Amino acid sequence: DTGVSQDPRHKITKRGQNVTFRCDPISEHNRLYWYRQTLGQGPEFLTYFQNEAQLEKSRLLSDRFSAERPKGSFSTLEIQRTEQGDSAMYLCASSRTGIQNTQYFGPGTRLTVL
Amino acid sequence: AQSVTQLDSHVSVSEGTPVLLRCNYSSSYSPSLFWYVQHPNKGLQLLLKYTSAATLVKGINGFEAEFKKSETSFHLTKPSAHMSDAAEYFCVVSVLNANNDMRFGAGTRLTVKP
Repeated sequence: DTGVSQDPRHKITKRGQNVTFRCDPISEHNRLYWYRQTLGQGPEFLTYFQNEAQLEKSRLLSDRFSAERPKGSFSTLEIQRTEQGDSAMYLCASSRTGIQNTQYFGPGTRLTVL
Repeated sequence: AQSVTQLDSHVSVSEGTPVLLRCNYSSSYSPSLFWYVQHPNKGLQLLLKYTSAATLVKGINGFEAEFKKSETSFHLTKPSAHMSDAAEYFCVVSVLNANNDMRFGAGTRLTVKP
């Protein structure tokens, strides 16, 4: 068990550019979650996958955001035409299937949009 | 709807003194409750969780929390603070649905003075 990993750890981009983040979950976990955390706040749920199926999306996930998990393993989160308001920490978590299963978090990707 | 309120945005204690971080929850059902800790530039780490078993839950690093249904509280305590405990702490309620949605509090920053 190597834990949840995320890449890159930091990303600085200019407004209007596209960015893509990657998350590798714990290998036996079939659920994968994306959260966004802004300064001074707790993480907010964005979306989640059960294997390769995206089962829920928050209203925070505007149409500029897209997430994929094509083979049910790693996931990518893409933000198109970034805005300064997208600056945040993007966190990935994974868990086993089932109610009350603990989510394990990665270190996050900190996005700064200039 | 499930939610949590962390009553203090910042708590400061001296090393060796007790720690109390307060959390109140709101839930239509019997909740699952968690405490996570976030050290600077590191991922969220699970401290402990309550899932309707024993109301006093022991976690890692000497932390524990008590579920009090009558007070809708889940306060985190530690008898003696250590410098390494300085971090951001999040109280979390799990929405009891198939998605295992988590709702985070705004966080409490713990400062430990020498």
